[in-house]
Amino acid sequence: DAGVIQSPRHEVTEMGQEVTLRCKPISGHDYLFWYRQTMMRGLELLIYFNNNVPIDDSGMPEDRFSAKMPNASFSTLKIQPSEPRDSAVYFCASSTQGTGANVLTFGAGSRLTVL
Amino acid sequence: AQKVTQAQTEISVVEKEDVTLDCVYETRDTTYYLFWYKQPPSGELVFLIRRNSFDEQNEISGRYSWNFQKSTSSFNFTITASQVVDSAVYFCALSEEGTGFQKLVFGTGTRLLVSP
Repeated sequence: DAGVIQSPRHEVTEMGQEVTLRCKPISGHDYLFWYRQTMMRGLELLIYFNNNVPIDDSGMPEDRFSAKMPNASFSTLKIQPSEPRDSAVYFCASSTQGTGANVLTFGAGSRLTVL
Repeated sequence: AQKVTQAQTEISVVEKEDVTLDCVYETRDTTYYLFWYKQPPSGELVFLIRRNSFDEQNEISGRYSWNFQKSTSSFNFTITASQVVDSAVYFCALSEEGTGFQKLVFGTGTRLLVSP
């Protein structure tokens, strides 16, 4: 298995531009999570999906952020318009329902820099 | 309130030394899970261990060992005979029954530097 695949690995953009981050979860996993990592706030859960349905988006910072999961093998996190404070590493993770708490498998992350 | 506290921001050791990374958690749930993840310089988060609240038995995996003590709400991680490849940021995390075990709350991480 190729693991969780994220693209792009690095993105540099200017303030006000739209940014789209992509994620392909592990085949057969029915949960997908988007996390953001910054020096100031650490690792924060933004949103998670179960069977392609958003379950909890309480961590999404504001309306500029949106996430979709059109099918079991693809998810996007979009920021429009982007701002310098959005600069962070964005991780996608997936898991499958087991006994108790799921073990998340993380992707390599997408490092976003907004100038 | 911070639910997972990793008070050690950075630890530096010399190869072959033993090192313990501390983790203190806070929860009102009686059923919960604790995790440790490793983030090497490459950036990816790697799962190390999961432990549920009913299993206080300590665990050893090679040079790694974990000490879970509910009485002190701690889940500490010890690396024996550290190696340079152990250099990474280590995160402790908590998942509670109240959130259906789906929300993983991370501590701020401890950066471990192992020098030759």
